[in-house]
Amino acid sequence: GENVEQHPSTLSVQEGDSAVIKCTYSDSASNYFPWYKQELGKRPQLIIDIRSNVGEKKDQRIAVTLNKTAKHFSLHITETQPEDSAVYFCAAPGEYNFNKFYFGSGTKLNVKP
Amino acid sequence: DAGVIQSPRHEVTEMGQEVTLRCKPISGHNSLFWYRQTMMRGLELLIYFNNNVPIDDSGMPEDRFSAKMPNASFSTLKIQPSEPRDSAVYFCASTAGAGNTEAFFGQGTRLTVV
Repeated sequence: GENVEQHPSTLSVQEGDSAVIKCTYSDSASNYFPWYKQELGKRPQLIIDIRSNVGEKKDQRIAVTLNKTAKHFSLHITETQPEDSAVYFCAAPGEYNFNKFYFGSGTKLNVKP
Repeated sequence: DAGVIQSPRHEVTEMGQEVTLRCKPISGHNSLFWYRQTMMRGLELLIYFNNNVPIDDSGMPEDRFSAKMPNASFSTLKIQPSEPRDSAVYFCASTAGAGNTEAFFGQGTRLTVV
C-alpha cells in the first residue's frame, strides 16, 4: 500500500509568518493529494487539494505544490493567523478510483499571537 | 444535506461489552470509510465500502472488529468484545463518484472502554 510520511510533527510560528508542511508518498500512480485541517475536538475537513496534472494550486493564503518526480507535496500557509492553529493531515490514495486514502501522521501547527 | 452523521457521539462501555457505532453517509455518495484516530497511531483506515460492498478490510485490527453496510444510507462498525485498547475516536467518511474526490467526515464517535 501507499506510504505517506509527513513532517514536521509540530510547528510553531509567529502570527503573520509563513508555515510549510511537507509530505512524501511512495506510490507513483497516486494522482490526487488532499490536505485536511482538524481543529481540536472536531472532524478533519478538506482545505485544499491538488491533482497530478498541475504543479501548484493556490486558494487565498493557502497553496499546495506537487513534485511528482520526487514524490512529494507541500502545504504553504502565508500570513498565518491564530485561527490557523490546528492539526493538518496530508493524504494520498493507494488505489486509483477507489478513494482509499492513506493519511500522514499529522502536523500540529501553533500560531502564536 | 446534513453531512455524514454518526452516532453515538460518545460511548463509554465496560471491557467485554459489545459496541456498535453507526454512520449515515451523505446521500448519493457511493464510497464509505471507517477510520480510527489515536494519538499514537494517527488516522488509520479500518475498512472501506464501494457501492455497499466491502472493498478492503485489511485495516481491521482483529476479528473482534466487523463492519457492515446493508444499504447505501447506513453502515455499522461493531466491536465484540471490546477492550480498553480500542478506546479512540472513530470517524466515518464518505465520498462521491469514482475517482479521487473529497472525503466528508462525520463528527466522530469517542469510544472509551474501561
